[in-house]
Amino acid sequence: AQSVTQLGSHVSVSEGALVLLRCNYSSSVPPYLFWYVQYPNQGLQLLLKYTTGATLVKGINGFEAEFKKSETSFHLTKPSAHMSDAAEYFCAVSDSGAGSYQLTFGKGTKLSVIP
Amino acid sequence: DADVTQTPRNRITKTGKRIMLECSQTKGHDRMYWYRQDPGLGLQLIYYSFDVKDINKGEISDGYSVSRQAQAKFSLSLESAIPNQTALYFCATRSGVGTDTQYFGPGTRLTVL
Repeated sequence: AQSVTQLGSHVSVSEGALVLLRCNYSSSVPPYLFWYVQYPNQGLQLLLKYTTGATLVKGINGFEAEFKKSETSFHLTKPSAHMSDAAEYFCAVSDSGAGSYQLTFGKGTKLSVIP
Repeated sequence: DADVTQTPRNRITKTGKRIMLECSQTKGHDRMYWYRQDPGLGLQLIYYSFDVKDINKGEISDGYSVSRQAQAKFSLSLESAIPNQTALYFCATRSGVGTDTQYFGPGTRLTVL
C-alpha cells in the first residue's frame, strides 16, 4: 500500500520568494515519485520525477525536488516564484514493485503568488 | 494536435441518465487510466487497462464501467448518474515500458443535477 501526504492545501508566496511545497510518502517498495502541475481549466502536466539515481531532480520551469529516503519526503522547490507559477501542484507515488505503476496522488497544494 | 483527447469537455445531465465519456490517444501507449478529481481530494483511480483484454478496477469503481474498444480508445460509462458523481474526470495514458510518465487529457467536467 502506498500513500502521499501534502502539507498545506494552500500556500501563498510573494513574487520572487522561495517556493516550498511539501510532500511525504509511504511505500512498501522503493518508490517512484512525481510532481504534476495543474493550471486552471487544464489537465495535469509532469513537472519532474524521481525513479533511481541522483536524488536531486530538476524539472521544467525552474522547479526541483529532492528525494530523501530517511525522511520519506520529496519536497518541491523553486528559488524565485513567478506569477505564472500560480497553479495546483500534486505529488504522486508509483507502486513500482507490483509492476502496475499505478499512481497514488496527494490531495494537492494550491499555490498563489502575490505581486 | 493533442496526444490525449477527451470528449465531451463539459456535460450537464440529470440523475438516472446514462453517460459515456470518451478518451482517445495518439501516443501508441498500451496502458490507459480513468481518474476522478474532486476539490480537496486529489485524483482517485476509477479503472485502468493494460491492453484491450485487460481491464482492472481502481479504488473507486462502484457506479462506473469502462470499455477498451481499441488500443487508442478507452471509454468510461456512468450507467445511472447520481449527483455525487459530479466531478472532473481525467483520462491518462502510459507506455508499458519501465518508469514512463502518465500523460493526461484535458479533462471532462461532469455535472449531475
